[in-house]
Amino acid sequence: KAGVTQTPRYLIKTRGQQVTLSCSPISGHRSVSWYQQTPGQGLQFLFEYFSETQRNKGNFPGRFSGRQFSNSRSEMNVSTLELGDSALYLCASSSHGPSNTEAFFGQGTRLTVV
Amino acid sequence: KNEVEQSPQNLTAQEGEFITINCSYSVGISALHWLQQHPGGGIVSLFMLSSGKKKHGRLIATINIQEKHSSLHITASHPRDSAVYICAVGAGGGADGLTFGKGTHLIIQP
Repeated sequence: KAGVTQTPRYLIKTRGQQVTLSCSPISGHRSVSWYQQTPGQGLQFLFEYFSETQRNKGNFPGRFSGRQFSNSRSEMNVSTLELGDSALYLCASSSHGPSNTEAFFGQGTRLTVV
Repeated sequence: KNEVEQSPQNLTAQEGEFITINCSYSVGISALHWLQQHPGGGIVSLFMLSSGKKKHGRLIATINIQEKHSSLHITASHPRDSAVYICAVGAGGGADGLTFGKGTHLIIQP
């Protein structure tokens, strides 16, 4: 069973540009969550999607957005990039059944803004 | 908002030693996750706990819901256990809305 796949693995962008990151969850998983990891702030929750609907959102500006497709693949977009957006972006999927379920993380996309 | 505290922040030990990493949180949760992160970034889920104790190989995780505290133990530690161990708590299920500790950087010397 394939794990969570994130593409691309590495990305370099210039301030002011926008970027789109992709996450393919484990087959059958309908919940995808996105996280940002920086040395200063650690891991922080961005948003969660389930069945193409954003159900939960962290405390990030509107420049950060996402969507989920009918096959559960998810994308996140960051517009008007700032230097402070340089981070490791991780997505995680889970089956989100009636009881608590395990979270499965991808390898992450390392974004560098110059 | 849940506050998650991990200790110690850094730990260096000799191969074979018994390792304990602690995690405390401030607000009741539905589940607690122990995660492992190696250099390069990918995160591996070690345990998800909502009560009691779980064991997988040389790893043992316990949680005390009343005291809002969890511990991760590594028996017979090995250099390949060197990694950052992160505690995360959630009010919902799965990976939704997790709040993370700052991590424990573990180095096991041969």
